[in-house]
Parts: sequence; C-alpha cells; structure tokens
Amino acid sequence: NAGVTQTPKFRVLKTGQSMTLLCAQDMNHEYMYWYRQDPGMGLRLIHYSVGEGTTAKGEVPDGYNVSRLKKQNFLLGLESAAPSQTSVYFCASSLSPIRQVSGNTIYFGEGSWLTVV
Amino acid sequence: QKEVEQDPGPLSVPEGAIVSLNCTYSNSAFQYFMWYRQYSRKGPELLMYTYSSGNKEDGRFTAQVDKSSKYISLFIRDSQPSDSATYLCASRYNFNKFYFGSGTKLNVKP
Repeated sequence: NAGVTQTPKFRVLKTGQSMTLLCAQDMNHEYMYWYRQDPGMGLRLIHYSVGEGTTAKGEVPDGYNVSRLKKQNFLLGLESAAPSQTSVYFCASSLSPIRQVSGNTIYFGEGSWLTVV
Repeated sequence: QKEVEQDPGPLSVPEGAIVSLNCTYSNSAFQYFMWYRQYSRKGPELLMYTYSSGNKEDGRFTAQVDKSSKYISLFIRDSQPSDSATYLCASRYNFNKFYFGSGTKLNVKP
C-alpha cells in the first residue's frame, strides 16, 4: 500500500518553463489537495478537489492549475514558472465526510522539490 | 492572525528528556486536532489525532487539547534522537478545511 505518491521528487526549471506534478493515491480517498511549504510560512493550500472532475482554489492558487480526471490522480500544473514558485510541494488526500468513521485526517505524499532559476 | 500558531523553535533537549510542544488556535469551532511529524526531506506523517478536549496517549506520546484556552500540546516522554524532526500541529474545520501551524523543529541530542 503506497499511500500518496508524487512524481517527480526533484526538478529544476528555468523561468517561463512549464511542468506538471503528478500525484496518485491508492486509498480510495475522495478529497485531494496540493500544498506548498516554505520556511517560516508552513503549509499553504494551493488547490483542492472534493471529487473526480471537480477542483477549487485554496489559499495561494495564482500561477497554478490543477486537474482531477480520475479519482486516484490529482495533477498540479505550472504554466509559466517563476522564481517565487521555488518551494516544496506536497500532495495529500483524505476521506469525504460521508465515509468518516472516527473523524477525518489528511495523509501526505513525500514531497516534490522544485527550483525555478 | 493565523488560525493555528506555533513556536518555530528550534528546541534542543538531551536524550531522555520530556518534551512539550505547544500550539494555540483562534477558532473556538475547531473540534479535530492533529499532530504531524516531519523528518527532513520527507512529507508530514500523522502522529496523533484527537477530538474535542482531553488527553490521548499513544506509547511515549500524549496529545492534550484545552478548548477553554484554545491550546494544543504534544508531550514526548523519554525522548530519543529518532524523535528529532519538525512537529506540525493542525486543526480541521468544516470537513475539508485543515489549518496547520508552521512547525516546531525538535533536536534530541544523544
């Protein structure tokens, strides 16, 4: 059981390049999230999805797009990378409240380290 | 004001010490509270999960929530070098809204 898997783990981009971060979860979770983590700022929500085919903006969505074509996958895209997007990106997933048994917690992937030069 | 505030540390203790990690939160409607442990270059992993007020114990770890003062604590007994990590507190509100503290870096010296 892999949990939440992210690819790639490391990437260096030039300003203006585009890329996609891939996230896959095998826990049959309905909700999926993309966070970025920066020193002193903690985890900030970029976008999230409450189900296949749906996405919503989080706290810091500008410069990012997402897609959830399949329940188990959540893609994060950078159309034109900027140095301010240098960060560690975490994908996460959780159950929907309908399927909660003893509460709802969020499970994270291992992270993707992105540097934009 | 952030919804969940946490002292960034770092906190350095000798092996075997009792560690106390603390957070405060702003929204009295928060009911679910979590502690995550994050090793360097890794993703956060769920350590403890509590609902409402009270204590929850799991081995050397005890999570405590005081809703009257909006205070969340994690105690680690007999701390080990392997406990060296960043600890994130978190709260959940309204099904899918999670609020995270910025993390406290803990170093347990052998």
